[in-house]
Amino acid sequence: EDQVTQSPEALRLQEGESSSLNCSYTVSGLRGLFWYRQDPGKGPEFLFTLYSAGEEKEKERLKATLTKKESFLHITAPKPEDSATYLCAVQASNSGGSNYKLTFGKGTLLTVNP
Amino acid sequence: SAVISQKPSRDICQRGTSLTIQCQVDSQVTMMFWYRQQPGQSLTLIATANQGSEATYESGFVIDKFPISRPNLTFSTLTVSNMSPEDSSIYLCSARLWNTGELFFGEGSRLTVL
Repeated sequence: EDQVTQSPEALRLQEGESSSLNCSYTVSGLRGLFWYRQDPGKGPEFLFTLYSAGEEKEKERLKATLTKKESFLHITAPKPEDSATYLCAVQASNSGGSNYKLTFGKGTLLTVNP
Repeated sequence: SAVISQKPSRDICQRGTSLTIQCQVDSQVTMMFWYRQQPGQSLTLIATANQGSEATYESGFVIDKFPISRPNLTFSTLTVSNMSPEDSSIYLCSARLWNTGELFFGEGSRLTVL
């Protein structure tokens, strides 16, 4: 069974204090790993898709990296507006009845204090 | 990107009643999905909405409880039938863009069952 574990569950940073969020996964064949941002009362907002180990993608203060077992979301010099829950999801190459099923982690709640 | 509109955005329902959630996408999409997000939990795929045919349900979800329609490429409905308090959750529509393959989400429909 595919599994996604995100850590820490919650992270509190001061504005400008860089850090990383972790997403560990277990799948029998990774087709893609996805990062989303979710604000309270909103749907998840797409950030990145990573497909192979060694791949990196950047968007503003965010940088996502991927290894064979985990992904990191690095946040450089965060601002209060970066506060949100960050979700990681994986798509396995054998997704059963749905060939595009995403398995999500529970997320990391990031709070950036001014 | 895509804009996915869901309605209602929230509702309070009585036990034993049914509610239909509508989802409209403003872009060309290949696949549409329905997810559930229970408090403190990760997103769980309910089913893949197939155009013009029966939806493909994930383990633990059945058509009698969650009938789904997709009459055209950009519109789908999810009905939550014979509701109980355990059905209180956020229901999210998502769609995969045909050109990028990225998966986008609607804002969600928050249901509370009394």
